[in-house]
Amino acid sequence: NAGVTQTPKFRVLKTGQSMTLLCAQDMNHEYMYWYRQDPGMGLRLIHYSVGEGTTAKGEVPDGYNVSRLKKQNFLLGLESAAPSQTSVYFCASSPFGTTYNEQFFGPGTRLTVL
Amino acid sequence: GQQVMQIPQYQHVQEGEDFTTYCNSSTTLSNIQWYKQRPGGHPVFLIQLVKSGEVKKQKRLTFQFGEAKKNSSLHITATQTTDVGTYFCAGNTGFQKLVFGTGTRLLVSP
Repeated sequence: NAGVTQTPKFRVLKTGQSMTLLCAQDMNHEYMYWYRQDPGMGLRLIHYSVGEGTTAKGEVPDGYNVSRLKKQNFLLGLESAAPSQTSVYFCASSPFGTTYNEQFFGPGTRLTVL
Repeated sequence: GQQVMQIPQYQHVQEGEDFTTYCNSSTTLSNIQWYKQRPGGHPVFLIQLVKSGEVKKQKRLTFQFGEAKKNSSLHITATQTTDVGTYFCAGNTGFQKLVFGTGTRLLVSP
């Protein structure tokens, strides 16, 4: 039981390049989330999904797209990377949403955009 | 939008001293969660508070939820070096999304 895994762990991009971050969970959770973490700003929600085939915008969605084609996977895409997207990205999942359920986080992806 | 602020941003204590972090929301919360993130690690769930005025304890950690459900605190008694990390509160307004606080980074010197 691996929990929540993220690929890759580290990545360096040049401005304008694109990439996809992969999140996978083996706990059969319905809800999945993508956050970014910047110094002094805590965790900010980018996009989230309440089930297979669904996605919704979070607090800071601009410049990102997501897809949830399979229940266990949640992909985060950057179409044209910008230096402002340099951050640590965390994926999380929860059984039914956050009202009374904890979130389980992956180990994170450290992204640098030059 | 909803904001959740935490104070202090950073605290450095000697091992054995107590530590408290405070969390304040601009809106009423349906519940609040606390997470701990070790240096270089990912957030890990500690506890959830739901009821107004609720107090929960986990060994040396005491969590409180305010009467108005807009603030919360985490108190650690007699800190240990294993307590090092950043502590986040996360508030839920009932829209299936958590709003994380800015975090309090705790450093404990032996």
